Amino acid sequence: GNSVTQMEGPVTLSEEAFLTINCTYTATGYPSLFWYVQYPGEGLQLLLKATKADDKGSNKGFEATYRKETTSFHLEKGSVQVSDSAVYFCALKTSGTYKYIFGTGTRLKVLA
Amino acid sequence: GAGVSQSPSNKVTEKGKDVELRCDPISGHTALYWYRQSLGQGLEFLIYFQGNSAPDKSGLPSDRFSAERTGGSVSTLTIQRTQQEDSAVYLCASSLDRDRKNIQYFGAGTRLSVL
Repeated sequence: GNSVTQMEGPVTLSEEAFLTINCTYTATGYPSLFWYVQYPGEGLQLLLKATKADDKGSNKGFEATYRKETTSFHLEKGSVQVSDSAVYFCALKTSGTYKYIFGTGTRLKVLA
Repeated sequence: GAGVSQSPSNKVTEKGKDVELRCDPISGHTALYWYRQSLGQGLEFLIYFQGNSAPDKSGLPSDRFSAERTGGSVSTLTIQRTQQEDSAVYLCASSLDRDRKNIQYFGAGTRLSVL
């Protein structure tokens, strides 16, 4: 079946450090891939998405590239800020469906 | 309101009681979804509404769970005879329609604690 695997958290970084959160997936067909972010006390917000192989999604300094050959969609940011502290979820949707399949989430804590 | 609104934000109940969780989607969004977020796990799909009908209830974990949507807007998720394993954050999302290109917008969730 379809699934998403994320790296275990929590991830603790100092401000201005480089961030990578790994995400790999298993899916039939050609899924769309997403990163959602959940700030404390808030709902999930779409951070970025990619709908086909080799697409790069980007937003707020975050980037992720849809790699079909490695079935990956790793999230990266060159210089994190304290305000980036949140839980990050990788997700997929397969063609013709409306359901998201989510990973377990990765908590990021950025220290000043 | 601009976003998806859920109430209550927190609910503590005793085992065996019934609870109702409410979701107000973004105005004009015809599709509505309920998910459950358990500790240490990802979001689990529960049910999907298109308008007032629920073509996919496959994620409801047992017959103690039910949901309805009225007027193509507000939805209520009801859990009867709550059990401790029902403790989780229940998230609601809405989208313009069921097209896969449409983004789902999430509410802040209802944290349910069953004692």
